[in-house]
Amino acid sequence: DTAVSQTPKYLVTQMGNDKSIKCEQNLGHDTMYWYKQDSKKFLKIMFSYNNKELIINETVPNRFSPKSPDKAHLNLHINSLELGDSAVYFCASSQANRGSPLHFGNGTRLTVT
Amino acid sequence: GESVGLHLPTLSVQEGDNSIINCAYSNSASDYFIWYKQESGKGPQFIIDIRSNMDKRQGQRVTVLLNKTVKHLSLQIAATQPGDSAVYFCAENSGGADGLTFGKGTHLIIQP
Repeated sequence: DTAVSQTPKYLVTQMGNDKSIKCEQNLGHDTMYWYKQDSKKFLKIMFSYNNKELIINETVPNRFSPKSPDKAHLNLHINSLELGDSAVYFCASSQANRGSPLHFGNGTRLTVT
Repeated sequence: GESVGLHLPTLSVQEGDNSIINCAYSNSASDYFIWYKQESGKGPQFIIDIRSNMDKRQGQRVTVLLNKTVKHLSLQIAATQPGDSAVYFCAENSGGADGLTFGKGTHLIIQP
């Protein structure tokens, strides 16, 4: 009965490769997000999608691209991986209205070598 | 710029004592605040939230206090247990866009 699930949990890859992280939510939420957590545990929003429309795009390199086939899924594609992309990436979802909590997945630890 | 931050990066408490984790925010437009708990290897887990029209809200063993005058938020955990060991984040939702802005996190350590 996992609410927000993301795969893989661990991803080790070399610089220059292209990789994807998948996320699915079964909460019926309208909005999904990707957050990046750095080595100091700081969480920063990368993207959010509401009804297949991108509504937030922070200063993230265009090597990162979110793709949402339907409102229950928001995948993250990363091209030409760099060492600095190493981090834990969290998917989350919430109701579309403001003032509602986000529900997070358990993260994908990306290590770029 | 606008930010949400925590005063103490690490808090060590005795098992059974009460814990208080503090958070300062600078965006006066913030109208919704949340506390999250993150255990090792897991995602942030919702603990409790509060809206700006309230100054106190209680849950099971947790209380959140909001002081809008000084832009301060705190999380009180009663009778701290070993399972409370985690990193705690405050977060705010302000402006028109969705999403939360997180503070830096406080690592709560429980001493036996």
